[in-house]
Amino acid sequence: IAGITQAPTSQILAAGRRMTLRCTQDMRHNAMYWYRQDLGLGLRLIHYSNTAGTTGKGEVPDGYSVSRANTDDFPLTLASAVPSQTSVYFCASSANPGVRDTQYFGPGTRLTVL
Amino acid sequence: QKEVEQNSGPLSVPEGAIASLNCTYSDRGSQSFFWYRQYSGKSPELIMFIYSNGDKEDGRFTAQLNKASQYVSLLIRDSQPSDSATYLCAALNDYKLSFGAGTTVTVRA
Repeated sequence: IAGITQAPTSQILAAGRRMTLRCTQDMRHNAMYWYRQDLGLGLRLIHYSNTAGTTGKGEVPDGYSVSRANTDDFPLTLASAVPSQTSVYFCASSANPGVRDTQYFGPGTRLTVL
Repeated sequence: QKEVEQNSGPLSVPEGAIASLNCTYSDRGSQSFFWYRQYSGKSPELIMFIYSNGDKEDGRFTAQLNKASQYVSLLIRDSQPSDSATYLCAALNDYKLSFGAGTTVTVRA
């Protein structure tokens, strides 16, 4: 069982380019999440999906979009990348959103926007 | 002000000592609390969760929760060099996690 996979592992991107970060989980978890992690700021929620077909905005959604066409995949798209989106991006999943739910994280994607 | 605040660190402890990590949260509606460990360049991994007031022990780790004081702590007993990492405190509210900035712990051999 792989758990959560993310691709690419790292990417250098020119400002203004479109980029999709991929996330796939094989645990049949209902909920999936995208976070960014920046030094001194910790992990911040970008978007989330409680179940396939639904998505919601987190703390820092501007400049990002997501879709959840099926249970396993939750891609994150930067429509026109800007340098402030340089960060490490983590995808996470959990069985069911709830009080006792536990999130598990993928290996991350390191993105640099120049 | 962040919803979850952690003691800024870094925290340096000798091998075999107790490392004490503290976390406060601002939203009284927070229902569950989690401690994640993150090694440099790696993803966060869950080490403890706690839902009820009091202590919860798991091996060398003890989590403490005081909802009246809005305070969560993590104790690492008999600290080992392998415990050197950044520890993230998180609070769950409305099915979403809010994370603190993390406390970096270094265990000196």
